[in-house]
Amino acid sequence: EVQLVESGGGLVKPGGSQRLSCAASGFTFSTYNMNWVRRAPGKALEWVSSITSSSNYIYYADSVKGRFTVSRDNAKNSLYLQMNSLTVDDTAVYYCTTDPGDGGHWGQGTLVTVSS
Amino acid sequence: AIQLTQSPSSLSASVGDRVTITCRASRGFSSGLAWYQQKPEKAPKLLIYDAVSLESGVPSRFSGGGSGTVFTLTISSLQPEDFATYYCQQYHDYPLTFGGGTKVEIK
Repeated sequence: EVQLVESGGGLVKPGGSQRLSCAASGFTFSTYNMNWVRRAPGKALEWVSSITSSSNYIYYADSVKGRFTVSRDNAKNSLYLQMNSLTVDDTAVYYCTTDPGDGGHWGQGTLVTVSS
Repeated sequence: AIQLTQSPSSLSASVGDRVTITCRASRGFSSGLAWYQQKPEKAPKLLIYDAVSLESGVPSRFSGGGSGTVFTLTISSLQPEDFATYYCQQYHDYPLTFGGGTKVEIK
């Protein structure tokens, strides 16, 4: 069974940093592209970042470019999102996901709250 | 970026109704369109991928259609467990984008 488990969320002050992790199991992680998607309170889903299976290609939404860094460790079956210079607009539940063509699996999400 | 506009943004329907949600893209593409269902406090669930392919385990009352700039999600006979918010997503090109969502409520 495919499982994606996010961790690392919490309360952080504006301007602060947070690192999210996603532990994957039940599939060959090293062969899957991975994504981060977020949902702010009362808002629609928003794609954040994608990374290909070998980390050869990385993409970011304009809203996070230059502040967020996605990475992965295929030996540890793990995906990461380093978030710097956080603002209140980054408050959201963050999900790690596989591509729709790869089953479209989502984790349960981890809440990041940016507030003073 | 390909912008996706969903309509309606919300609808009220009864159990047994046929419901169609539309997703319009700012420029056309042939596939690379997915539909998700999200219930409160839950992660989104994939229903349809490649515009028309039903994800394994999803009831056959859900179907996807369209290509180019207009895509649809149809629920042939609405069931109580289908009351939720639905999103389209394009993965044809980066940046990936989602529609604004359609909330399906009980009439």
